[in-house]
Amino acid sequence: QLQLQESGPRLVRPSETLSLTCTVSGGSISSTNDYWGWIRQPPGKGLEWIGRTHYSGSAYYNPSLKSRVTISVDTSKNQFSLKLTSVTAADTAVYYCATVSFKELSLDYWGQGALVTVSS
Amino acid sequence: DIQMTQSPSSLSASVGERVTITCRAGQNINNYLNWYQQKPGKAPKLLIYAASTLQSGVSSRFRGGGSGTDFTLTINSLQPEDFATYYCQQGFRTPITFGQGTRLEIK
Repeated sequence: QLQLQESGPRLVRPSETLSLTCTVSGGSISSTNDYWGWIRQPPGKGLEWIGRTHYSGSAYYNPSLKSRVTISVDTSKNQFSLKLTSVTAADTAVYYCATVSFKELSLDYWGQGALVTVSS
Repeated sequence: DIQMTQSPSSLSASVGERVTITCRAGQNINNYLNWYQQKPGKAPKLLIYAASTLQSGVSSRFRGGGSGTDFTLTINSLQPEDFATYYCQQGFRTPITFGQGTRLEIK
């Protein structure tokens, strides 16, 4: 069974770049046509879709964040990554990585989540 | 973006009861509707995809229905472990969007 694990700094200063990596185990990131995505959830609030990538490298971003987001994939490490630039306190959230099914765009497997706080 | 609206926002019920949560899409999304359960401090868990297909390993007490713009999640014979927050999500068109969530509490 697939397992996903987020890693990266949990405290980021305002105006800097948030960087997280999702390591996939129990399967190869390049063995499926499914996507690999990021979702976030501010404390006490609902879920927001950030974007997704494919092992081929193609990516799609939520237009609300598109100017600040990059999602990339490293098939040699079985990882994919999120970078969010120019962060503010509004970017404080639990960030989840997840698999995104090709057909239904359902989020089948999730990481445990990483709380990232933006603060000076 | 396709707006997803859940009702109610919160719900109180007792163990053994049956409850229904509704999700309405801002446009026709066929059956591209998925449901998740989230418990405090945990990642969401996929319960139902394609409106009515139960994810592997999920209890048959959960049932999804609907198509087009109106969808339901019904939980039969509530168990203590079912008290959580539930989200719907449309997979018809990117960007993926979620409902605001329905918090199910013990009465």
